[in-house]
Amino acid sequence: DQQVKQNSPSLSVQEGRISILNCDYTNSMFDYFLWYKKYPAEGPTFLISISSIKDKNEDGRFTVFLNKSAKHLSLHIVPSQPGDSAVYFCAAPPFGSSNTGKLIFGQGTTLQVKP
Amino acid sequence: DAGVIQSPRHEVTEMGQEVTLRCKPISGHDYLFWYRQTMMRGLELLIYFNNNVPIDDSGMPEDRFSAKMPNASFSTLKIQPSEPRDSAVYFCASSGGSYNSPLHFGNGTRLTVT
Repeated sequence: DQQVKQNSPSLSVQEGRISILNCDYTNSMFDYFLWYKKYPAEGPTFLISISSIKDKNEDGRFTVFLNKSAKHLSLHIVPSQPGDSAVYFCAAPPFGSSNTGKLIFGQGTTLQVKP
Repeated sequence: DAGVIQSPRHEVTEMGQEVTLRCKPISGHDYLFWYRQTMMRGLELLIYFNNNVPIDDSGMPEDRFSAKMPNASFSTLKIQPSEPRDSAVYFCASSGGSYNSPLHFGNGTRLTVT
């Protein structure tokens, strides 16, 4: 079973506060995870990634945390800005994949950041 | 860089008609992917190419779907005959050759089959 799940369809936060988006996966053999952001009428854009050998990766306001024992990862956005309002997808290459373009995507979480 | 270019942006067709979606990947990218997004199934991979060669088409839903990549700068996804359940947003994406090269998506083609 190789699935990536985002159980929260939506999240609303106030500008300046922290946004936390969550993602769970089913296969402990997954070794690489990515987050993509998608605005309406546009394609997804790559945001940040993390390898399973790490438990944290940071890029500016965006930090991804990986908890392998719980098969859970989260994306933290601090501070949140109205321009961050978008759909966020968690994704992972299936076990045994030779490249990270072949991805299993979660269903997405719609983030709304209120001014 | 112009990014991944897809055409048309919107396509409305009647059931039974042939539909052709087009994609121009980013120059120099070795991999090209076709994804489909629906409400029911989310984003799912249909097929991908490496150096113009189809590598994995296990996501292609049925024989009505076909994809080609005649050269490094062009790919098509064809549906013949189209059915209402094919209505979705179809994304093309490309990436470089290394394992962790991220995908660069086009803006998609919204297909409506009536």
